Amino acid sequence: NAGVTQTPKFQVLKTGQSMTLQCAQDMNHEYMSWYRQDPGMGLRLIHYSVGAGITDQGEVPNGYNVSRSTTEDFPLRLLSAAPSQTSVYFCASSYDESTNEKLFFGSGTQLSVL
Amino acid sequence: AQTVTQSQPEMSVQEAETVTLSCTYDTSESDYYLFWYKQPPSRQMILVIRQEAYKQQNATENRFSVNFQKAAKSFSLKISDSQLGDAAMYFCAYRRGGGATNKLIFGTGTLLAVQP
Repeated sequence: NAGVTQTPKFQVLKTGQSMTLQCAQDMNHEYMSWYRQDPGMGLRLIHYSVGAGITDQGEVPNGYNVSRSTTEDFPLRLLSAAPSQTSVYFCASSYDESTNEKLFFGSGTQLSVL
Repeated sequence: AQTVTQSQPEMSVQEAETVTLSCTYDTSESDYYLFWYKQPPSRQMILVIRQEAYKQQNATENRFSVNFQKAAKSFSLKISDSQLGDAAMYFCAYRRGGGATNKLIFGTGTLLAVQP
């Protein structure tokens, strides 16, 4: 089982560049989400989706866009990268949005914006 | 707003000994869930243990157990018989219950070192 797959694992961008972080899961999970991890701040929720075609903002959504055209994929787009977006990004999914469901995490994408 | 506080940035324990990691949280909700996640150097987030707020009994998973004090809003993790593979960053997390979406609020983490 692949679980939650994130690509790329590492990325370096210049300020102003755009890119998409990919996230795919093969567990038929309805709920998917993106977190960023910064030193001394834990993980913070960026955006989430409770199913295909449905997305919503989390705690720190500014500078990021998401879409959910399929159940499997939940890409995170940086439209104009800024140094403040240097972070480790995690995608996570669960079967549905129920509070009883375990979250499965990807292995993360380390992003540096110069 | 709910918050999660881990006041120990780093901890160290001798192999085979017991260590307790602290976590406090603040919420006005009565229905919620608490978690401990382990993040080894591989970066993978691994669920260690989960506690439902409505359950008085402390959760246990093999060598890992929690001390859940609901009135004090405290949720500490005890690791018994520590092993070298337990060395990792540990995150405490909170999630509101009552049908809320699966959004976790994380603490800032405790880096655990295990000395041979």
